[in-house]
Amino acid sequence: NAGVTQTPKFRILKIGQSMTLQCAQDMNHNYMYWYRQDPGMGLKLIYYSVGAGITDKGEVPNGYNVSRSTTEDFPLRLELAAPSQTSVYFCASTLGGSDNEKLFFGSGTQLSVL
Amino acid sequence: GQQLNQSPQSMFIQEGEDVSMNCTSSSIFNTWLWYKQDPGEGPVLLIALYKAGELTSNGRLTAQFGITRKDSFLNISASIPSDVGIYFCAGSFGGSNYKLTFGKGTLLTVNP
Repeated sequence: NAGVTQTPKFRILKIGQSMTLQCAQDMNHNYMYWYRQDPGMGLKLIYYSVGAGITDKGEVPNGYNVSRSTTEDFPLRLELAAPSQTSVYFCASTLGGSDNEKLFFGSGTQLSVL
Repeated sequence: GQQLNQSPQSMFIQEGEDVSMNCTSSSIFNTWLWYKQDPGEGPVLLIALYKAGELTSNGRLTAQFGITRKDSFLNISASIPSDVGIYFCAGSFGGSNYKLTFGKGTLLTVNP
């Protein structure tokens, strides 16, 4: 199993550009999450999904969109990139049920918006 | 949103020393977890705690779920260079409110 795979690893965007951060998991996990990590600020939840076709906002959803058409994939879309979106983005998944809190993280996407 | 106060923010220690870090919350959590993030990687779960007063070990790591359910600590004994990284505490209310709230992290540096 590859676990949680994120692409790309690094990306530089210009203000106003759009991009999609890809996330895929091969563990048949129901729950998937997107977090952003800013230096010294911990992890903030952007969006999450409890299953295919179901998504919901987290703590900091503004400027982002998600979709969950399959169990495996949970892409994060930035429509109009802004400097405030410069961050490291982590995708995570869990099986759900009694293991809801045991997150498996990808290795992250470092995004700079200039 | 919920706030977790994690301390210290950073620690510089010598190899072989013991380390202690803690997390406090204004809210009562049903689950406390500790994650470690190696440089350039995503966090990895170290220990999960489910009962007030619970003390759990994972090798040289020991974590406790505070009696008040508003705090938790993590100890690392006999530190080694590969202990370097950011340690995050996280709390969950459980049930339908299962999403984790993360602390801001403790950056640990171990000098060989």
